[in-house]
Amino acid sequence: GENVEQHPSTLSVQEGDSAVIKCTYSDSASNYFPWYKQELGKRPQLIIDIRSNVGEKKDQRIAVTLNKTAKHFSLHITETQPEDSAVYFCAVNTGNQFYFGTGTSLTVIP
Amino acid sequence: EAQVTQNPRYLITVTGKKLTVTCSQNMNHEYMSWYRQDPGLGLRQIYYSMNVEVTDKGDVPEGYKVSRKEKRNFPLILESPSPNQTSLYFCASSVDSSNQPQHFGDGTRLSIL
Repeated sequence: GENVEQHPSTLSVQEGDSAVIKCTYSDSASNYFPWYKQELGKRPQLIIDIRSNVGEKKDQRIAVTLNKTAKHFSLHITETQPEDSAVYFCAVNTGNQFYFGTGTSLTVIP
Repeated sequence: EAQVTQNPRYLITVTGKKLTVTCSQNMNHEYMSWYRQDPGLGLRQIYYSMNVEVTDKGDVPEGYKVSRKEKRNFPLILESPSPNQTSLYFCASSVDSSNQPQHFGDGTRLSIL
């Protein structure tokens, strides 16, 4: 099956700074790469996704980049705010199955 | 309101006592899935269903069963629960399996003593 690695596992940034989270995967057939945000005690919620025919996608302060050759994709959050503090998960879709990274706990320090 | 509803939200039970966690979605989604979330391991897919009467194993199916008799419902069945199945469980649905965002339920916290 697919192997998804996510780094770092924890990340602290000052408010206003940028945060970058990286994921690598193993199956070259993977074709859909969503990112989810999970606040404490809540369900995961999609924040951005990218498909295999696109290299970069941006939505306000959030962007995702995909390098299919190197099999990695990254989440970029600019101008971080305290409400960005949460656990972030990357995921990979391979055909009918989804594989998730182990999560990154982001803390934005005011 | 579009939603995925899981019940119960919390359950404490004992080893060997059969239990069912229900999941229902009102978005006419074809694809439904069950995950368990454990500290340090992220979310791991247990079972998924492409459509009515079509189910398949995910990464960690041992000890679980599912059924998909209607499009909106996808119950998770633990025939003989064991303590290693203590976890936080999420049901999710999407329009179809490929290239589509999943909508998650609020989760079910299971404790098996």
